[in-house]
Amino acid sequence: GAGVSQSPRYKVAKRGQDVALRCDPISGHVSLFWYQQALGQGPEFLTYFQNEAQLDKSGLPSDRFFAERPEGSVSTLKIQRTQQEDSAVYLCASSPMGAQSGIQYFGAGTRLSVL
Amino acid sequence: AQTVTQSQPEMSVQEAETVTLSCTYDTSESDYYLFWYKQPPSRQMILVIRQEAYKQQNATENRFSVNFQKAAKSFSLKISDSQLGDAAMYFCALGTQGAQKLVFGQGTRLTINP
Repeated sequence: GAGVSQSPRYKVAKRGQDVALRCDPISGHVSLFWYQQALGQGPEFLTYFQNEAQLDKSGLPSDRFFAERPEGSVSTLKIQRTQQEDSAVYLCASSPMGAQSGIQYFGAGTRLSVL
Repeated sequence: AQTVTQSQPEMSVQEAETVTLSCTYDTSESDYYLFWYKQPPSRQMILVIRQEAYKQQNATENRFSVNFQKAAKSFSLKISDSQLGDAAMYFCALGTQGAQKLVFGQGTRLTINP
């Protein structure tokens, strides 16, 4: 596709439900990032993949958060037993391999509301 | 650890005027990049401008330019001839070769007055 695609655009979950957020990176991009953006704040790093390898998951706030990218393309961020504090916009970004520019290309995000 | 600070939560400017958004950062890395991203209500983060730390020359992209003061760890964005379409949240971000991830500031909401 032309850009990073995320689905769904909006997700409403009841507290305790599990949710899955999808990210389709730009075709051929090796690096993939997930960020969490609370209302009125800047994005905060969650996790990073290079191909299918999860190289950094230091930003995941708890063991309820899990991300995967099994074939090195599409990625899914899963949140188990959602809590109200999980309400945020989840942004996905991708970057080509060996990019010395450091530029990341972002999707429009998924807004998660936990009631 | 890397940090980015934007001390102006909100800024406003008259259409066609010039505005400067401030950003300071901290890192112990010697090889890093600095970015300004724009986030309109659609939530799509759009890259405005990028600066490589090893380059002394300030980056420029049309009406957008930066003032990169490496010793002071300052990276401000100047928008000339402001247009209504420039209204958005602006985020300053720091990226390093080692960490790969971007560290963002808290953002500045820019309003353009017609």
